[in-house]
Parts: sequence; C-alpha cells; structure tokens
Amino acid sequence: AQKITQTQPGMFVQEKEAVTLDCTYDTSDPSYGLFWYKQPSSGEMIFLIYQGSYDQQNATEGRYSLNFQKARKSANLVISASQLGDSAMYFCAMTERKAAGNKLTFGGGTRVLVKP
Amino acid sequence: KAGVTQTPRYLIKTRGQQVTLSCSPISGHRSVSWYQQTPGQGLQFLFEYFSETQRNKGNFPGRFSGRQFSNSRSEMNVSTLELGDSALYLCASSTSRGTGLTDTQYFGPGTRLTVL
Repeated sequence: AQKITQTQPGMFVQEKEAVTLDCTYDTSDPSYGLFWYKQPSSGEMIFLIYQGSYDQQNATEGRYSLNFQKARKSANLVISASQLGDSAMYFCAMTERKAAGNKLTFGGGTRVLVKP
Repeated sequence: KAGVTQTPRYLIKTRGQQVTLSCSPISGHRSVSWYQQTPGQGLQFLFEYFSETQRNKGNFPGRFSGRQFSNSRSEMNVSTLELGDSALYLCASSTSRGTGLTDTQYFGPGTRLTVL
C-alpha cells in the first residue's frame, strides 16, 4: 500500500485565491512527522511546513497552513492568497520513528499552476 | 548560511560507466540523505549518512553506494550505469539532533544524470 497518497496530479488556481492540496498517509507507527515541500521547475526541493503526529495544533507558516486530521490520516496543505511564484510541484512526505534516522517517504506530488 | 550544494549540476554518461556525485551539507548539519527522482518512480530514498556511518538504506541495488567524510560532505557512487539510472539525484542535510521525526531536511539543487 502507498504510504503517502496525493490524489490530485495537477490543478489550476486563480491568483490571490486559496488552494488546498490533498495528502493522505498510511502508517501504524504512532510517532511520525509530516512535511510539505515545493519543487519549482529548477528542481530544488523547498521545505514549506512540518506537522508532528503528537502536535495538537495545526501547523502554520506564513501563507501555508496544514489541515491535520489524524483520525482520517490526512494532512492537507492550504496555500492562501496564491501568487504566480507558487506555480510548482508540491510533495507531501512522511518520516516514521521506526525507520532509524532520517528517511522521507514522498507522495507522487501535485502540480499547481497559478493563473493571473 | 550557505545552503546545500551539489556538484556537478549536470552529467552525461554512457552505459557501463561509473559516476560520483558530491554533496556539501549546510554548515553544522551532520546528516546527509540522498534521493533519486524519476518520472516513473517519483522520489525514492537511497541512503542516509550520519557521522560518517550509513544509518539507513533504501531499496536500491549494490551498484549504488555512498560515503560521508569527517567534514560531513558526502559522495554517492553509481557503478555500471544503466539507462534507468537517468534521474535527478537530490541530496538533503539536517541537524539530526533527535529521532529524525522533526529534523527538517534541506535539499540541494540536485544533479541531473543522463545515461546514454
């Protein structure tokens, strides 16, 4: 089974509008971390936001917020007030405590295109 | 603080050759991880090094190897290149002070390898 599932391969969003990117995950480990990364066409992965499995509050970082629904195993990224520079691939990723050290497992990604 | 650097940025090799990619982590970061990104398989974890020791390994053949030096710089080597090794190879570093769950990995720009 896929550990990280991103069901939206691509989407358009109007500039200045909000967009929600879906991410569901599968793990039996009670301790895990969830990350979102942005990958522009240049290729570099840019860290956006982190949510820990024991965090009570939804994470926020500027225009990025994470809608964490633990029981549903979902960690959707919300980008508010979209900008043209937000056009990129977005990846949801997870680390699990049972995997020693750092190992990110990525979803397939969602391509976002912001229209002026 | 300088980010993660990777050299070279682009590389063209032929089947059967071997290649070495280099990664310099953010100053103070002791963990270096490597990922392979292809259109078909997405982002896959190769291995992670921490304090010159391989701490975690993905599901790749033995042709893929790596090492880390005392200054935390890391290299990965692919021997007997195959056409399917054509990919973007991303290196990421983190402080890795704890369990890895909260250790944000910061990525370099990647090395794009083409095997002809």
